[in-house]
Amino acid sequence: QQQVKQSPQSLIVQKGGIPIINCAYENTAFDYFPWYQQFPGKGPALLIAIRPDVSEKKEGRFTISFNKSAKQFSLHIMDSQPGDSATYFCAAGYSGNTPLVFGKGTRLSVIA
Amino acid sequence: GAVVSQHPSRVICKSGTSVKIECRSLDFQATTMFWYRQFPKQSLMLMATSNEGSKATYEQGVEKDKFLINHASLTLSTLTVTSAHPEDSSFYICATVNTEAFFGQGTRLTVV
Repeated sequence: QQQVKQSPQSLIVQKGGIPIINCAYENTAFDYFPWYQQFPGKGPALLIAIRPDVSEKKEGRFTISFNKSAKQFSLHIMDSQPGDSATYFCAAGYSGNTPLVFGKGTRLSVIA
Repeated sequence: GAVVSQHPSRVICKSGTSVKIECRSLDFQATTMFWYRQFPKQSLMLMATSNEGSKATYEQGVEKDKFLINHASLTLSTLTVTSAHPEDSSFYICATVNTEAFFGQGTRLTVV
């Protein structure tokens, strides 16, 4: 069963735009929500992660917004660049040595 | 973040042969590592959890006799695909957790 639902499946934005990718989870026991960026033929790279005690976290051009009551979280990429074109995965899990559950991914294309 | 080294990055093998993939945690001792498989344009699916000094835990539907996992030290886990067939062709990725989850570079396996 899919425990993390991610949308949209694909996204095209102009350079400088702000793509937004959304995820919803079902398990209220999850307490760790990372986002990964993956380029073709490479492993996923951790971008930014949030825990449920905060509603927003920023790192550089990447921002996570977290809504605990709605069980949703989203990734915003400010001032997007063509180099941001990649597949983005949200994930959810528990603190500690446990595996993550991934969304299905969003293929982002930033066009100049 | 943690440094995870995976080798080889690409391998082509003949049907019926076995292939070993190595995953090394370079900067911390990993009692647990995770193995994922990713088919083209799809998300990461957890195959198994590798536990140092004990048997791996496999996800439902993953054949433990086909995907042999060994985690003999705190820095190395190996995945051996035995008697590989073309349907085993995929992208295999390992991960470790050290407060956050970090992935290796992935191994592209092609069985011909």
